[in-house]
Amino acid sequence: QKEVEQDPGPLSVPEGAIVSLNCTYSNSAFQYFMWYRQYSRKGPELLMYTYSSGNKEDGRFTAQVDKSSKYISLFIRDSQPSDSATYLCALLGNQFYFGTGTSLTVIP
Amino acid sequence: DAGVTQSPTHLIKTRGQQVTLRCSPKSGHDTVSWYQQALGQGPQFIFQYYEEEERQRGNFPDRFSGHQFPNYSSELNVNALLLGDSALYLCASSLEGTGSYEQYFGPGTRLTVT
Repeated sequence: QKEVEQDPGPLSVPEGAIVSLNCTYSNSAFQYFMWYRQYSRKGPELLMYTYSSGNKEDGRFTAQVDKSSKYISLFIRDSQPSDSATYLCALLGNQFYFGTGTSLTVIP
Repeated sequence: DAGVTQSPTHLIKTRGQQVTLRCSPKSGHDTVSWYQQALGQGPQFIFQYYEEEERQRGNFPDRFSGHQFPNYSSELNVNALLLGDSALYLCASSLEGTGSYEQYFGPGTRLTVT
C-alpha cells in the first residue's frame, strides 16, 4: 500500500469553476501536509502547508485536513487558466511522501 | 533572493556510465534533499544532506550517492546507469528546525539514459 494516494486525473474545468483536489494517506503519524503546484518541465512550487486538522485559506486556495479520515483536500475558487498545472500533495513523516499528482486544465 | 539552482538542465548518458548532478540551495537554507521524478509520477525521496552528512535515505540502491559541501551546495552521483534511471532529478532545500517542512525545489535536471 502506498503511503499517499492521489487521483491522477486529468481534470478539466471551465474558467471560474471551483476545483477540488484530494489525497488519502495511510500513516496517522504524518504531521505536516503540503500542496505543491508543478508546471510542465518545472520543479514543484510550494503552495500551502498545514499542520493540524481544519482549514487554511490563502487567497483563492483553501487547504483542508481531516486527520480522522486521513484525507486532505485543496480547493481552488474562481479557477483561472493560469492555474493549469499538476498539483501534488505531500506529507511529512520521517521523510517527505508525495502523491502522483493531479493534472488540472482550466479552459478559458 | 536566489532560489534553488541546479545544473545541468538536461543530460544524456549511456547505460553503464556515471553522472553527477549539482544543486545550490536557496539562500539561508542548510538542508538539501534529492528526489527522482519519473514521467507521470510524484517525486520519490532519494536522500537528504545536513551538516555535510547523509541524514536520511529513501529506497534507492547504493548506486545513488551524494555529497554536501561546506557552503551547503550538494551533488548527486549515480553510477552504472540503467535505462530506468531516466527521470527528472529534483533538488529541494530547507532550513533545519522550524522551517524543515518548507521545502523549495529547483527546476530539476532531466536525465535521459540510452
